[in-house]
Amino acid sequence: GAVVSQHPSRVICKSGTSVKIECRSLDFQATTMFWYRQFPKKSLMLMATSNEGSKATYEQGVEKDKFLINHASLTLSTLTVTSAHPEDSSFYICSASRTSGGPGDRPDTQYFGPGTRLTVL
Amino acid sequence: AQSVTQLDSQVPVFEEAPVELRCNYSSSVSVYLFWYVQYPNQGLQLLLKYLSGSTLVESINGFEAEFNKSQTSFHLRKPSVHISDTAEYFCAVSAGNQFYFGTGTSLTVIP
Repeated sequence: GAVVSQHPSRVICKSGTSVKIECRSLDFQATTMFWYRQFPKKSLMLMATSNEGSKATYEQGVEKDKFLINHASLTLSTLTVTSAHPEDSSFYICSASRTSGGPGDRPDTQYFGPGTRLTVL
Repeated sequence: AQSVTQLDSQVPVFEEAPVELRCNYSSSVSVYLFWYVQYPNQGLQLLLKYLSGSTLVESINGFEAEFNKSQTSFHLRKPSVHISDTAEYFCAVSAGNQFYFGTGTSLTVIP
């Protein structure tokens, strides 16, 4: 269990266009979803945290108007890169977590999607 | 503040040799600990995790990690590596409602 999918796996777009990436938890309800960006040979950089039905919390330095995050349901979060530029080319990875079900819950495990390779020409 | 340190950015090792990938953390609160593996052009896969109980945790493919609270470490070990273990390995810590990743260790298994 705990499978997370991302769509598309790879996308190439022209500069100035917008691209939407979907992240789905297939067999569990994700109370929280995370969006990461990974540069070549680098660790993951957390971009934002989203909870279902509320606004995403963006990390410092991440433009919320450029990277629009919507978490409309407990199984779906979307990241839209608006007016994409070549410097936005990267590997974007989402993850989803579920709480343990007890008092004082906190995310105990993140389950990652396979990633989306975005190339902006 | 919490942080995760992976001391080795690259670890080359010969096939069938043992390997240890080091991870240290700092936290003022209790933590959960994780190791993730990333194969080329793929997302991260959970390798193993420590939430509570036995401090030695094992994965299905022969890796193990031991939570050492006094040394604030969670080193990953395997007694005999295979070519297929070549990948990037990330240590992570969950503290409060935040997740912190190390910078990763690139394990290369040499035939």
